[in-house]
Amino acid sequence: SQQGEEDPQALSIQEGENATMNCSYKTSINNLQWYRQNSGRGLVHLILIRSNEREKHSGRLRVTLDTSKKSSSLLITASRAADTASYFCATDPSGSARQLTFGSGTQLTVLP
Amino acid sequence: SQTIHQWPATLVQPVGSPLSLECTVEGTSNPNLYWYRQAAGRGLQLLFYSVGIGQISSEVPQNLSASRPQDRQFILSSKKLLLSDSGFYLCASRRNSPLHFGNGTRLTVT
Repeated sequence: SQQGEEDPQALSIQEGENATMNCSYKTSINNLQWYRQNSGRGLVHLILIRSNEREKHSGRLRVTLDTSKKSSSLLITASRAADTASYFCATDPSGSARQLTFGSGTQLTVLP
Repeated sequence: SQTIHQWPATLVQPVGSPLSLECTVEGTSNPNLYWYRQAAGRGLQLLFYSVGIGQISSEVPQNLSASRPQDRQFILSSKKLLLSDSGFYLCASRRNSPLHFGNGTRLTVT
């Protein structure tokens, strides 16, 4: 069964706006990761946040983690058309990546 | 950094035919290797992972198999494809890092 579930399933915004995607999970984790997938391509790792961290930044990306609520959010600020892609959260209960479980993703469309 | 090569990019095969998808890794040694399958509009399902040459763990019982004949080579095979084997197959590598993915193979079984 899917551990991480993203919300919303699809999001459409105008260029320049912020995009927020949420991820909920069910069991304890060592870390949570966000990946991006352009249509028909492989996934690209964006950011990893460990269970003892609450917030992390990377460029225009901001990730938060609330282990008490078993949820995470990915914020993309000042979105661009090139940010159009699917975004997946993946939970890692052990830190070994063997049990890395991906959600179904959020399809983000940024309109120019 | 790691580069994952997968081929072919697309493949159309009839039911009952064999399958061989190849993945090779550059830029690292002794990586953990993974085969994932992605159904349309869905997340990734882990099929196989390998921690070394000849060491394969299967996560999902099915008619697929995997082999790792060399340190940086991972092969996904089937003797007889089923319609349900259609999907997007992704190879991934990890060596003290998050996963690095190849660009995938789109398999259509007709």
